[in-house]
Amino acid sequence: KAGVTQTPRYLIKTRGQQVTLSCSPISGHRSVSWYQQTPGQGLQFLFEYFSETQRNKGNFPGRFSGRQFSNSRSEMNVSTLELGDSALYLCASSPGTVGTIQYFGAGTRLSVL
Amino acid sequence: DQQVKQNSPSLSVQEGRISILNCDYTNSMFDYFLWYKKYPAEGPTFLISISSIKDKNEDGRFTVFLNKSAKHLSLHIVPSQPGDSAVYFCAASGGTSYGKLTFGQGTILTVHP
Repeated sequence: KAGVTQTPRYLIKTRGQQVTLSCSPISGHRSVSWYQQTPGQGLQFLFEYFSETQRNKGNFPGRFSGRQFSNSRSEMNVSTLELGDSALYLCASSPGTVGTIQYFGAGTRLSVL
Repeated sequence: DQQVKQNSPSLSVQEGRISILNCDYTNSMFDYFLWYKKYPAEGPTFLISISSIKDKNEDGRFTVFLNKSAKHLSLHIVPSQPGDSAVYFCAASGGTSYGKLTFGQGTILTVHP
């Protein structure tokens, strides 16, 4: 079975731009969760999508948004980029039921200049 | 409010000996706990998990212990190998927070040959 695929692996943007990151989950998984990893804040939950609906949301500003398609692939968008948005963005997929394991992709490294 | 804490930023162990990584949590709604291993610029790799209905789970060299009354869990690696050197994160989920993992800050494990 193929794992979780994130594209692109690396991105460089400038302040004020917007960016879209993509995540393809493991086949059969209906839940995709997104996380941000920074040296200061660690791994923080952004949001989770299940069957095309946002089911859970973390404490991030509205500039961070996402969506999920009917094939469970998910995209995350960050608008009006700030320097502090530089981070490793990780997505994880799971079947989406309680007590199931989340499997992570390799991440997208975003650098905002 | 850090609901999951790993109080030891680093741990150094000799090859062949036991590594014990600790994690404390404060949210009594958490009922599922996971340990992940992570290398820089890569996504976390799932190691082992435990449900709150159990107090121990084993998988090969890895054993996780859960003490619900103390809100404490630990990961034992026996015997430790140099390839185990990485950052280890504990994570928790529970209640209706589907798809949301709350992570500790991580412990850097170094296993010396």
